[in-house]
Amino acid sequence: GDSVTQMEGPVTLSEEAFLTINCTYTATGYPSLFWYVQYPGEGLQLLLKATKADDKGSNKGFEATYRKETTSFHLEKGSVQVSDSAVYFCALSAMEYGNKLVFGAGTILRVKS
Amino acid sequence: DGGITQSPKYLFRKEGQNVTLSCEQNLNHDAMYWYRQDPGQGLRLIYYSQIVNDFQKGDIAEGYSVSREKKESFPLTVTSAQKNPTAFYLCASTLAGAYGYTFGSGTRLTVV
Repeated sequence: GDSVTQMEGPVTLSEEAFLTINCTYTATGYPSLFWYVQYPGEGLQLLLKATKADDKGSNKGFEATYRKETTSFHLEKGSVQVSDSAVYFCALSAMEYGNKLVFGAGTILRVKS
Repeated sequence: DGGITQSPKYLFRKEGQNVTLSCEQNLNHDAMYWYRQDPGQGLRLIYYSQIVNDFQKGDIAEGYSVSREKKESFPLTVTSAQKNPTAFYLCASTLAGAYGYTFGSGTRLTVV
């Protein structure tokens, strides 16, 4: 079945450092890809999405490009802030599977001032 | 403002007791989902519903039950058959998967 693999954390960075969180997926169809962010004790918020190959999703300085050839959707940010500290989830959904969201295990990001 | 409301925020269950978690949305979304989140783990799908009066089991449905009598509501019952129910439960909805999903703020269930 469809699956998502993302890099293990925690990832600890200093403020203004460059961030990359790797995400790769396995899917038989043409899924939509998402990054969600979860702050402590809260639900998930959609950070960005891409619905087809070569699409770039972006929001709040975060970017990710849908790479079909490498089945990847890596999350990047040029300069992280302390307020970016959270858990980041990569996910996919496909119509073939009732649009269910399939999540990676999540990556904890800690940004130090 | 449109959104998803989960209640209660915290819930305590005694051994052998059934409890029901509420999920209400006013987004006019057709599809609704229940996920379970355990510490340090990703989200696992419990049940989902794509239309009123219809629902399907997810990956970990055992010990849970749901109903979908109204488009806006998708309550989850954690039964006594669920042996390890302590977790964070998240409800989500979507109009169509490619547009993204809206999540509620979650219910933290603890067995006492």
